[in-house]
Amino acid sequence: DTEVTQTPKHLVMGMTNKKSLKCEQHMGHRAMYWYKQKAKKPPELMFVYSYEKLSINESVPSRFSPECPNSSLLNLHLHALQPEDSALYLCASSQEAPDRSSAFFGQGTRLTVV
Amino acid sequence: RKEVEQDPGPFNVPEGATVAFNCTYSNSASQSFFWYRQDCRKEPKLLMSVYSSGNEDGRFTAQLNRASQYISLLIRDSKLSDSATYLCVDPAGDYSGGGADGLTFGKGTHLIIQP
Repeated sequence: DTEVTQTPKHLVMGMTNKKSLKCEQHMGHRAMYWYKQKAKKPPELMFVYSYEKLSINESVPSRFSPECPNSSLLNLHLHALQPEDSALYLCASSQEAPDRSSAFFGQGTRLTVV
Repeated sequence: RKEVEQDPGPFNVPEGATVAFNCTYSNSASQSFFWYRQDCRKEPKLLMSVYSSGNEDGRFTAQLNRASQYISLLIRDSKLSDSATYLCVDPAGDYSGGGADGLTFGKGTHLIIQP
């Protein structure tokens, strides 16, 4: 069982909707990530939070807005998405230095934008 | 920018056979890597870490060749349940300023074990 929990597991939203994806971990990890994965492609990094501060934004459009309320929670707020944003959104966490420890992934939210 | 390259396959292998695939990387400063396994429509899960000394876990052996900048994964006595996509991952950062960096994934190698 994954120790990173994501909700919801599935989400269908219209292009004018506002929704949020949620991620929670209780492993004491200080780094949390959002990845986007399209079919038959590897995960693509979107955002990295380190000690609750945004440390990396991979030039993600502003219709995606991350938030880290505390060290255990990570949200991704969605607004005015496009159909091409449909994908599997994965949350992950790791110790602050991932080159010395692996990242654990949540089961993902499968997002469909209609 | 660091890159990780993998042969996407698919590798079609009969059950019980030994299969190996490689991954090349561009970041010469990288000291360790990970192999993740991803089943269809599931999240990636850590299979094993790879350091300069290599790593063996049951039927799986991973090795790092720093001189040629590649890592390998060997699966012995393959099982039907080994069918998955295997992702090579470089965790070393290429961002300045310290703190956590995102993992760089290869495109993955698709493995199909046939009965």
